[in-house]
Amino acid sequence: AQTVTQSQPEMSVQEAETVTLSCTYDTSENNYYLFWYKQPPSRQMILVIRQEAYKQQNATENRFSVNFQKAAKSFSLKISDSQLGDTAMYFCAYYQGSGNTGKLIFGQGTTLQVKP
Amino acid sequence: DVKVTQSSRYLVKRTGEKVFLECVQDMDHENMFWYRQDPGLGLRLIYFSYDVKMKEKGDIPEGYSVSREKKERFSLILESASTNQTSMYLCASTPPAGTWRGDEQFFGPGTRLTVL
Repeated sequence: AQTVTQSQPEMSVQEAETVTLSCTYDTSENNYYLFWYKQPPSRQMILVIRQEAYKQQNATENRFSVNFQKAAKSFSLKISDSQLGDTAMYFCAYYQGSGNTGKLIFGQGTTLQVKP
Repeated sequence: DVKVTQSSRYLVKRTGEKVFLECVQDMDHENMFWYRQDPGLGLRLIYFSYDVKMKEKGDIPEGYSVSREKKERFSLILESASTNQTSMYLCASTPPAGTWRGDEQFFGPGTRLTVL
């Protein structure tokens, strides 16, 4: 079975600095997708960034980028120029489609505090 | 904009009560999901549905059932609530796998359920 592990329960960063959140996963599949979701305090979970396993190029969305190491099964999220609005819980997730539907498998989450 | 709503943000019930959690999406999505979120455990899949009247067990279905009579509505039922079902419950929906953004899940705001 696939598993996703986030080994950092809590992290903090000063505003305007860079922070990296770690994620590792375990799978025997070759084609899959990886995601980072953000859950701000008392607000809905939203997608931050997605990576398709067959693409070697790391995904980037504005200040958010990933370091995808397929052989090492590692998928870290880098947040540059951190802002107070980045304070949230971040979840790494693995997706594999199957038939009519696919399922997400989530990591334990990392709570990020951005300090002014 | 994509919208997933849940019937209550906060709910307090007593042990043994039957509890209904409702989720509605307005995106004509095929697939809908129920998760529970607990500290240190991330999100765990309870049940999902890829079509009206269809349902599949997730990783932790014990003590729960679901109903999907209409495409836009997916209900989670706790037949006899217990204190260990105190948790945050999140609903999500997604287009069918294989469609554009078919792997992205759109989440509701969550229901924080307390069972006394």
